Amino acid sequence: DVKVTQSSRYLVKRTGEKVFLECVQDMDHENMFWYRQDPGLGLRLIYFSYDVKMKEKGDIPEGYSVSREKKERFSLILESASTNQTSMYLCASSPYRRAREGEKLFFGSGTQLSVL
Amino acid sequence: KNQVEQSPQSLIILEGKNCTLQCNYTVSPFSNLRWYKQDTGRGPVSLTIMTFSENTKSNGRYTATLDADTKQSSLHITASQLSDSASYICVVNPLSGGYNKLIFGAGTRLAVHP
Repeated sequence: DVKVTQSSRYLVKRTGEKVFLECVQDMDHENMFWYRQDPGLGLRLIYFSYDVKMKEKGDIPEGYSVSREKKERFSLILESASTNQTSMYLCASSPYRRAREGEKLFFGSGTQLSVL
Repeated sequence: KNQVEQSPQSLIILEGKNCTLQCNYTVSPFSNLRWYKQDTGRGPVSLTIMTFSENTKSNGRYTATLDADTKQSSLHITASQLSDSASYICVVNPLSGGYNKLIFGAGTRLAVHP
């Protein structure tokens, strides 16, 4: 089974801190994604990557950056955490660049980040 | 305006009963429609994936249906179990898009009580 591992289940940070969220997948997938999930809203894409050292902005990239130095690892960085970044962050991976028929998107368990 | 709307927002049923969750979408054309199950504190897990030309797809006690004419999908859960308590998320993939274009509904939170 594909395993997408997020390094922390819960994080509490102070406003202004630099925050790193780590994600590792073990199936040699090309694509990796970072979403945030807030109550009453659908998942929103922050950033994604189709290849090592490659990144593209999603729908809500402001206040975030990412790093993909190795194929299996995709990091989300909050340069200066703010209270409105309190959220559940979900990492996901998929084998191919396009969402092919019958192909799944695999999610990690999520990191609940609280910024105080 | 949300392009994928789910109803109800939340639902409580008794163990053993059936239930149906709804998903209305405006995305057109689309490539496929997906249903995910998300347990509390966990990431979503894929239940079904249907292309625009499919009408129904089953996965055990879960059956998804799709009516492309009315732009509606439903997820039917048969003989519910306590472990079905979760959020269920409808996701539409536009025809022109890759994974970066997936549109997620806000989900329906289901609670199954003994």
